[in-house]
Amino acid sequence: EPEVTQTPSHQVTQMGQEVILRCVPISNHLYFYWYRQILGQKVEFLVSFYNNEISEKSEIFDDQFSVERPDGSNFTLKIRSTKLEDSAMYFCASRRSAPSNQPQHFGDGTRLSIL
Amino acid sequence: KNEVEQSPQNLTAQEGEFITINCSYSVGISALHWLQQHPGGGIVSLFMLSSGKKKHGRLIATINIQEKHSSLHITASHPRDSAVYICAASTGNQFYFGTGTSLTVIP
Repeated sequence: EPEVTQTPSHQVTQMGQEVILRCVPISNHLYFYWYRQILGQKVEFLVSFYNNEISEKSEIFDDQFSVERPDGSNFTLKIRSTKLEDSAMYFCASRRSAPSNQPQHFGDGTRLSIL
Repeated sequence: KNEVEQSPQNLTAQEGEFITINCSYSVGISALHWLQQHPGGGIVSLFMLSSGKKKHGRLIATINIQEKHSSLHITASHPRDSAVYICAASTGNQFYFGTGTSLTVIP
């Protein structure tokens, strides 16, 4: 069964550095999402992306964050000038566009550790 | 302010028991999602529903739109059902998550 893949599985970065988290959604999916989960806390929505643009974003998704679909397969989350509080598990998800009410498929996540 | 509230927060059951996890939400939704998060962290989508009831194997999800309430039921629970179950409400492409219910099924 096709699956969403995320790389790397664990990323360690110095505070202030830029980091790019990568996701390869399922090939015929058109909606893409990023979520984060700080250790011991609930999952939080960051952003949704459709038709090469952001369709929704949360308050967390400020100017520090950006998303891109640089080619036909990758979907990336960039965090500029990382902060300690950016340490979390970041999940990518994708879903088909039709028929309606398609479930999301999640990647296994990237654990981001900011030192 | 929590748009999605789940109960109980923790649940321990004996193998074979019938389990119910509840979810209440305060936002207008396009869909209600039930997710399962395994101890390793991976997330699997169990159900996505906007009305009525859905069943998949031993899992049943129901939703009452008027009361803004959903339940996830597990029949004949098994130790492999041990996981965190998360309720999430979607409004268009925005999502609000509950804090999860940690379920442990004891053999």
